[in-house]
Amino acid sequence: DAKTTQPTSMDCAEGRAANLPCNHSTISGNEYVYWYRQIHSQGPQYIIHGLKNNETNEMASLIITEDRKSSTLILPHATLRDTAVYYCIVTVDSWGKLQFGAGTQVVVTP
Amino acid sequence: DAGVTQSPTHLIKTRGQQVTLRCSPKSGHDTVSWYQQALGQGPQFIFQYYEEEERQRGNFPDRFSGHQFPNYSSELNVNALLLGDSALYLCASSLDWDSYEQYFGPGTRLTVT
Repeated sequence: DAKTTQPTSMDCAEGRAANLPCNHSTISGNEYVYWYRQIHSQGPQYIIHGLKNNETNEMASLIITEDRKSSTLILPHATLRDTAVYYCIVTVDSWGKLQFGAGTQVVVTP
Repeated sequence: DAGVTQSPTHLIKTRGQQVTLRCSPKSGHDTVSWYQQALGQGPQFIFQYYEEEERQRGNFPDRFSGHQFPNYSSELNVNALLLGDSALYLCASSLDWDSYEQYFGPGTRLTVT
């Protein structure tokens, strides 16, 4: 069972930052937070992951709260191609087994 | 560099039949995982293959079986198909068996009638 809670859906204006929240209040000290996205009719795509420090790559930034009970994925300048379902996943000592929840449907509008 | 490839793209089968789906991992990857994604839901882990052995298994019946070949490619077999097996079947590959950074293929859409 997924150990994360995400909003069902959210809208974002093109060119604006998209901030996607994820609650993982039962996360343990050695569990990572991973983010994937799935564009319609495609397989999921890895975005970013982190343990306790903030992370940034060419796709997004990941902000993890100090108590690690929640995190936010930030898409700095959303484009129409960022419309997708975004999944927040906690690695529950499952040795490479990704446990997807329902995710957040993000729609970027012009 | 080719990514993860899957075949066929679409498949229609009749209840009770058997089906085989195929996956070629990303170059350099030796671990293959299979996921089932029902319409409107997130992918669910079926099993993982590493060194030609099933290393982990999700909550799926024995009707679901697999195989990994020496070149790291993999097959997913489903016997005695049920209507509820209709789904998108995703293959993912990774560098190591305990890696959560996985590369997914486009999937095979299976329809059971």
